Amino acid sequence: KAGVTQTPRYLIKTRGQQVTLSCSPISGHRSVSWYQQTPGQGLQFLFEYFSETQRNKGNFPGRFSGRQFSNSRSEMNVSTLELGDSALYLCASSPGQGHSTDTQYFGPGTRLTVL
Amino acid sequence: AQSVAQPEDQVNVAEGNPLTVKCTYSVSGNPYLFWYVQYPNRGLQFLLKYITGDNLVKGSYGFEAEFNKSQTSFHLKKPSALVSDSALYFCAVTPGGSYIPTFGRGTSLIVHP
Repeated sequence: KAGVTQTPRYLIKTRGQQVTLSCSPISGHRSVSWYQQTPGQGLQFLFEYFSETQRNKGNFPGRFSGRQFSNSRSEMNVSTLELGDSALYLCASSPGQGHSTDTQYFGPGTRLTVL
Repeated sequence: AQSVAQPEDQVNVAEGNPLTVKCTYSVSGNPYLFWYVQYPNRGLQFLLKYITGDNLVKGSYGFEAEFNKSQTSFHLKKPSALVSDSALYFCAVTPGGSYIPTFGRGTSLIVHP
């Protein structure tokens, strides 16, 4: 099976712009989670989608949003970009219906740089 | 709320020597524990997980981890380190009833030739 894919891999934006990142999970996986990774804060959970519904949300401002399509592909959007949004954004999919024992399978990430 | 601590930002070990990357956790209820590895410019890759049963869990690439409930620890180990093991290692915990893991800050493992 193909792994989790994320597009684009690299992105440069300026403050105030908005950006959309895309994630295609492993075939058959219905849960998709998004994380922000920075050197200072480590890995922080953004949100999780299952069957087109947001089930969990981390502690991020409303500028961060996402959605999931019927084919389980997911997008996240960041509006009004700030310098502090520069990070590696990771998408992960998991095969289960949502259980504590589920393994997460990560994509390679999208490196966002905000100038 | 659950938390994970990886007390060492960096671990240095010589090739061929045993390695240990430490992880302690705090969670209410049964913990489900994971180790992931991240190579430069890559996403995280799953190494192993503890669900229940034997406290010694074996995973990918010769890694293993020991669950110690009394010390609330889940240290990652390998008997003989390889230069190619050099990477960033993350410990994660998911408490029972949740399916969103909490990750540690990560430990950079450097294996010297």
